[in-house]
Amino acid sequence: AQSVSQHNHHVILSEAASLELGCNYSYGGTVNLFWYVQYPGQHLQLLLKYFSGDPLVKGIKGFEAEFIKSKFSFNLRKPSVQWSDTAEYFCAVNAPYGGATNKLIFGTGTLLAVQP
Amino acid sequence: DSGVTQTPKHLITATGQRVTLRCSPRSGDLSVYWYQQSLDQGLQFLIHYYNGEERAKGNILERFSAQQFPDLHSELNLSSLELGDSALYFCASSTKGVDTQYFGPGTRLTVL
Repeated sequence: AQSVSQHNHHVILSEAASLELGCNYSYGGTVNLFWYVQYPGQHLQLLLKYFSGDPLVKGIKGFEAEFIKSKFSFNLRKPSVQWSDTAEYFCAVNAPYGGATNKLIFGTGTLLAVQP
Repeated sequence: DSGVTQTPKHLITATGQRVTLRCSPRSGDLSVYWYQQSLDQGLQFLIHYYNGEERAKGNILERFSAQQFPDLHSELNLSSLELGDSALYFCASSTKGVDTQYFGPGTRLTVL
């Protein structure tokens, strides 16, 4: 079965610090990878996604992620965080050829707090 | 705004009751997914409908059921509610052949 691991549960950074959130998945076949962000009290918003091609993908708000197939990883990065980046970040995977459904499997989330 | 709408935003009810959550997908999207977000279980897939047909079930209790109507909106029915059913319920929609899911604002269910 597919699973997603996010190793950092809570991260506290100061403004302008660099961010890297880890995400590893377990699935032997082709996968699509996603990062979603959930601001306090709000719904999930798509930050970026990887389907194929260039393993370095750029998303909204200055976020990027790198897919490393050999490591089954899809880490999220941002060179300089802002207070407004305070949110919970979810890594997710689906298997586009995994049957009748493209359900998303989510990691447990990483709560990021950025201190001004 | 993702284009996915959910009603109601908040729902407070008592144990043993039954509630219905509603989701309208983005215009043109045929797939609707339901997810439950709780503190202890995280974000869990419940069920997927495509163009009115059930495609897959995840960790959905037998007390829960869903359907997708001809106009493509979907309803999630939760019955014999228990305290542990308190959670955020999200729906998401996607277009056939495109694997990106767009999420609605969620319904926060509180069972007292």
